[in-house]
This record gives sequence, C-alpha cells and structure tokens, in this order.
Amino acid sequence: NAGVTQTPKFQVLKTGQSMTLQCAQDMNHEYMSWYRQDPGMGLRLIHYSVGAGITDQGEVPNGYNVSRSTTEDFPLRLLSAAPSQTSVYFCASSWRGDSNQPQHFGDGTRLSIL
Amino acid sequence: AQKVTQAQTEISVVEKEDVTLDCVYETRDTTYYLFWYKQPPSGELVFLIRRNSFDEQNEISGRYSWNFQKSTSSFNFTITASQVVDSAVYFCALSELGYSTLTFGKGTMLLVSP
Repeated sequence: NAGVTQTPKFQVLKTGQSMTLQCAQDMNHEYMSWYRQDPGMGLRLIHYSVGAGITDQGEVPNGYNVSRSTTEDFPLRLLSAAPSQTSVYFCASSWRGDSNQPQHFGDGTRLSIL
Repeated sequence: AQKVTQAQTEISVVEKEDVTLDCVYETRDTTYYLFWYKQPPSGELVFLIRRNSFDEQNEISGRYSWNFQKSTSSFNFTITASQVVDSAVYFCALSELGYSTLTFGKGTMLLVSP
C-alpha cells in the first residue's frame, strides 16, 4: 500500500503562477483534507472533503480551490500564487467522517513562492 | 470554537531524562477526540495516540505515556528515559464529534542531546 501520496515534493513558483498539488490515496478513505504548516503556527486546515463530489472550507481557504471527482484523488489548486502561500502542504485521509479516526498524512509538499 | 494550546515552544533535555509535553484544549462539545502526532526532522507526520473524551484512563506504550484529565482540559505526553531519536516536533490535536477535521496546537519542538 502506498498510503497517501503527494506530488510534487518540492516546487518553486513565481508570484501569479498557478499550480495544482496532487494528493492520492489507495486506502478507499472517504475523508480527505489539506493542511498547511507554517513556522510557529502548527497545521491549519485549508479544505476538506467527506466524499466524492463534496468539499468544504477549513480555517484558511482563501486563494485555494479543491474538487473531489473520485474517492482516490483530492487536488489542491493555487489559482494565482502569492508569497504568503509559501508553506509546507499536507494532505490527509481517513475512514468516513468519524472524529475518532486518525488521519493518515502524506509526506508533504514544500512550496516556495518568489 | 475549539482550540489547542501547546505552551512549550521548545524543550531541550539530555538523553535519559524524562520529559513532559503539555497540551491544553478548549471545546464546547462533550464528545471529542484528542491526538498526538510526531514530526521528526524528515518532515512526515506520525500518529502516536488517539483518546476519546469518555476514556480518562492513562495510557502507556513503552517509554511513552499519556495523562488525560478532563477536569483541567489537558492531555499531556511524557517520554521516559528520552533518546536522541525522540528529537522531533510533537503536535497535539483535537477533533469534535461529527467532524474529521483536526485542530492542531502549534507544536513543541523537543531536542534530546546525547
């Protein structure tokens, strides 16, 4: 099992560019989410999905788009990158929408916006 | 809204010392779940433990132990006889009933020196 796979691992963008961070899981998890990690801030929720076709905003959704067309994939789109979006991004998945399930995290994508 | 506070930003100990990482949470729900994750220097997030709000029993796993006290809204993590490999950032997190999203504390960086 690959678990949660994030690509790319590293990316450098220029301000204003767009890109998509990929996240795929092979555990048939219904629930998927995106977090960003900034120094001294812990992890903050960007967007999440409780199943294919259903997404919702988290704590810091501005500047990001998501969609969930399949159970396996949950891409995160930056429409017009800004330096404030420089961060490490983590995708996570878990069984159903139950609170007691530990999240399985990908290895992260380190994104720098110049 | 829920909140998780890890007041210790950084802790330095010498190998074999015991160390306790503090976690204080806030939630209006009576049913909730608490988690600890470890983030080693390599960057991945490793699930350590899950505890639900109805189970106040302390838990021990090898050198790790967790003390959950609802009366003080705390879920502290103790490492006994610390080792260099314990050096990492440790995150405490909370989820509420019906939600699989996690609210993270800002993390505590533990540095264990030989």
